[in-house]
Amino acid sequence: NAGVTQTPKFQVLKTGQSMTLQCAQDMNHEYMSWYRQDPGMGLRLIHYSVGAGITDQGEVPNGYNVSRSTTEDFPLRLLSAAPSQTSVYFCASSPTPGQGHAETQYFGPGTRLLVL
Amino acid sequence: KQEVTQIPAALSVPEGENLVLNCSFTDSAIYNLQWFRQDPGKGLTSLLLIQSSQREQTSGRLNASLDKSSGRSTLYIAASQPGDSATYLCAVRAGSYQLTFGKGTKLSVIP
Repeated sequence: NAGVTQTPKFQVLKTGQSMTLQCAQDMNHEYMSWYRQDPGMGLRLIHYSVGAGITDQGEVPNGYNVSRSTTEDFPLRLLSAAPSQTSVYFCASSPTPGQGHAETQYFGPGTRLLVL
Repeated sequence: KQEVTQIPAALSVPEGENLVLNCSFTDSAIYNLQWFRQDPGKGLTSLLLIQSSQREQTSGRLNASLDKSSGRSTLYIAASQPGDSATYLCAVRAGSYQLTFGKGTKLSVIP
């Protein structure tokens, strides 16, 4: 199993550009989520999904869109990049929520995004 | 709003020492608490998950305890090694499926 994979590893954008951060998992997990990690702020939830076709907002959803057309993939779209979106982005997955220790979350290696 | 605090922010210990990392949360109505490890430039690795009905979990040299009523958890690391150097994060799940993270404790184990 590759686990949770993220592409690209690093990206530089100009203000106003759009892009998609890719996330895929091969563990057949129902739950997937996106976090951003900023110095002094910890990890904050952007969006999450409890299954294909179902998404919901987290703590900091503004400026980001998600969709979940398959169990495996959960892309994060930046609509119009801003310097405030400079961050490290992590994707995570876990089996069906509410299933005890099956809730252990598996994280991808992260995407470092710099918006100029 | 749930808030998670980790103290200390950084800790340096000599190799072989036993140590305790602390995590506190403001809302005791949680489903579970997880401890993660993060190495520089890497993603997070889950170490232990404690359900709200449990008091502790153990994995090798790691032991995590949970006192839900007081809003506290500790991660005990026995016989620390230089390879344990990393940032340790705790996170709680309450209500929806969202995790609320602390800012972490950066641990350095000196050979």
